[in-house]
Amino acid sequence: DTGVSQDPRHKITKRGQNVTFRCDPISEHNRLYWYRQTLGQGPEFLTYFQNEAQLEKSRLLSDRFSAERPKGSFSTLEIQRTEQGDSAMYLCASSLEAGSTGELFFGEGSRLTVL
Amino acid sequence: GEDVEQSLFLSVREGDSSVINCTYTDSSSTYLYWYKQEPGAGLQLLTYIFSNMDMKQDQRLTVLLNKKDKHLSLRIADTQTGDSAIYFCAERALRGSYIPTFGRGTSLIVHP
Repeated sequence: DTGVSQDPRHKITKRGQNVTFRCDPISEHNRLYWYRQTLGQGPEFLTYFQNEAQLEKSRLLSDRFSAERPKGSFSTLEIQRTEQGDSAMYLCASSLEAGSTGELFFGEGSRLTVL
Repeated sequence: GEDVEQSLFLSVREGDSSVINCTYTDSSSTYLYWYKQEPGAGLQLLTYIFSNMDMKQDQRLTVLLNKKDKHLSLRIADTQTGDSAIYFCAERALRGSYIPTFGRGTSLIVHP
């Protein structure tokens, strides 16, 4: 399957712990996005990469959130010192460059529950 | 997102048409999209429309765009129970660095 894959699908952690999510985009896509989705809301943009460059990170929710895409392929999203308010679905998406229609291809998400 | 607004719920009878509405604020929007999310799944693009178009039809789906009023709608003809899902309107605009901004989603419930 060559779709976007995310791991883990579900993560339960205790408040104060660090968590890391991984996203493997569609291989020929050079843009990779992270969104957060809470219950009853639409996806909320967090950050995105064009190849390995992180071009927008001002929308990351706090300095506890960080993302990397070291070789321009897979990406990780880390949340340090988790809080209960971090509980949400974290969605990864990939796309071709901005000159295209901009269609995003989403993974199935990583659901985080902070106890 | 506050820049894209949708009603939260729509209930229709199987076989009827469904119309889901969306308003957006950014006049620089280039593409507008409709995504579908089924329970436990990620979002999947249903259709999109470029900002210089008024209408786009794709099988049972019809998208109408009113740029003057910044209003987008999605009509699903002959709605089926398998169409039950959350439908998200999204825009891609210059102001947002062409990063798609999503509405809160409309939950479509199709009953027999």
